[in-house]
Amino acid sequence: QSALTQPASVSGSPGQSITISCTGTSSDVGGYDFVSWYQQYPGKAPILMISDVSHRPSGVSNRFSGSKSGNTASLTISGLQAEDEADYYCSSYTSSSTLVFGGGTKLTVL
Amino acid sequence: EVQLVESGGGLVQPGGSLRLSCAASGFSASNSYMTWVRQAPGKGLEWVSVIYTGGATYYADSVKGRFTIPRDNSKNTLYLQMNSLRAEDTAVYYCARGLVGSTTAFEYWGQGTLVTVSS
Repeated sequence: QSALTQPASVSGSPGQSITISCTGTSSDVGGYDFVSWYQQYPGKAPILMISDVSHRPSGVSNRFSGSKSGNTASLTISGLQAEDEADYYCSSYTSSSTLVFGGGTKLTVL
Repeated sequence: EVQLVESGGGLVQPGGSLRLSCAASGFSASNSYMTWVRQAPGKGLEWVSVIYTGGATYYADSVKGRFTIPRDNSKNTLYLQMNSLRAEDTAVYYCARGLVGSTTAFEYWGQGTLVTVSS
């Protein structure tokens, strides 16, 4: 159960778009459409932003979108806002019927 | 309103045991899939365990054989029974409820409870 690979940090200016990648293997990300993305502010519980690769739960801004190609999933945030500055984690179902998280990406809004 | 309240965290010696509780309200825990996720100080999220509505349970390799995830439907409460605790189990432990319509995403989260394993 190796953690999924995410960039340690990404940054962007307000109004810009950024993309965070999440790379796994054919036994997790590439094998199933069960990738989720979570936003986490310091000291707070995670917030679900995207489920099942590209579905936005009720209440999540449409500035957030998800996609997948092969063994890599991506979270795109458009129209970047100061409030988007947070840590982001991907997770995936695995062939062992378990779940695995990525190492997390710190988003800085310049 | 859906609420999850964790409790039971604290300081425990290596090799000891601890039982975390996750009291659910606003929904039936027995009709939902639920999970435990932990976060070591300054580190990322780590998935620990999941229980599905039919009772099937799964565990991360790092806790398999040491942790279990029982559920008391009469108390609408999820537990994490942790045995043979190690220093590397030190973390904030979150419980979460699954997103309706999905099977692997978690929509509602508790505030977390801190477990410290140290002598």
